[in-house]
Amino acid sequence: DAGVTQSPTHLIKTRGQQVTLRCSPKSGHDTVSWYQQALGQGPQFIFQYYEEEERQRGNFPDRFSGHQFPNYSSELNVNALLLGDSALYLCASSLGSSGGYTDTQYFGPGTRLTVL
Amino acid sequence: QKEVEQNSGPLSVPEGAIASLNCTYSDRGSQSFFWYRQYSGKSPELIMFIYSNGDKEDGRFTAQLNKASQYVSLLIRDSQPSDSATYLCAVKAGRRALTFGSGTRLQVQP
Repeated sequence: DAGVTQSPTHLIKTRGQQVTLRCSPKSGHDTVSWYQQALGQGPQFIFQYYEEEERQRGNFPDRFSGHQFPNYSSELNVNALLLGDSALYLCASSLGSSGGYTDTQYFGPGTRLTVL
Repeated sequence: QKEVEQNSGPLSVPEGAIASLNCTYSDRGSQSFFWYRQYSGKSPELIMFIYSNGDKEDGRFTAQLNKASQYVSLLIRDSQPSDSATYLCAVKAGRRALTFGSGTRLQVQP
């Protein structure tokens, strides 16, 4: 059973650059959520994609954007990188049709982004 | 007030003891509650979820939920050094996204 996969594992960028992170959901899942986790903090919700549409969005600026493809994989794009964007970026997949409070999310290994 | 609060720890327990991890939440509309374990440098791993008041047991783990007190806990029986990690509490209301606490660091001393 293929779990959630993310690429790349690590990434180093400089301020002002743009970055794209990728995620493939767990087999059978159709919903992808993205989180940012700063050191010593819990994950913070960025947005969620279902049926190729952004279904929900957290309190993140428009510099953060995403996309979901027909095969349910997803990308997270961050423009005009700031030092404060350095974090672990986590992708979580779930079965969107279950919806509601029973929606159980499983995390990928994450991408560690360092902005210099 | 944070939406989900956890004591940051570290919580130190001897091997074989019961570790008790606690979490309080502010949104009375919260319906589902999750515990994730996160080893240093790794991603969160789902341990348990609970929807109804009371206890839910899975192996050495027991989740306890009290919606009236807005309180959820995780008990780990027969704690092992391999249980040493950060434990994240997350809550969900309806179709809203997961909201996480900052986590409690658990240290199990051999």
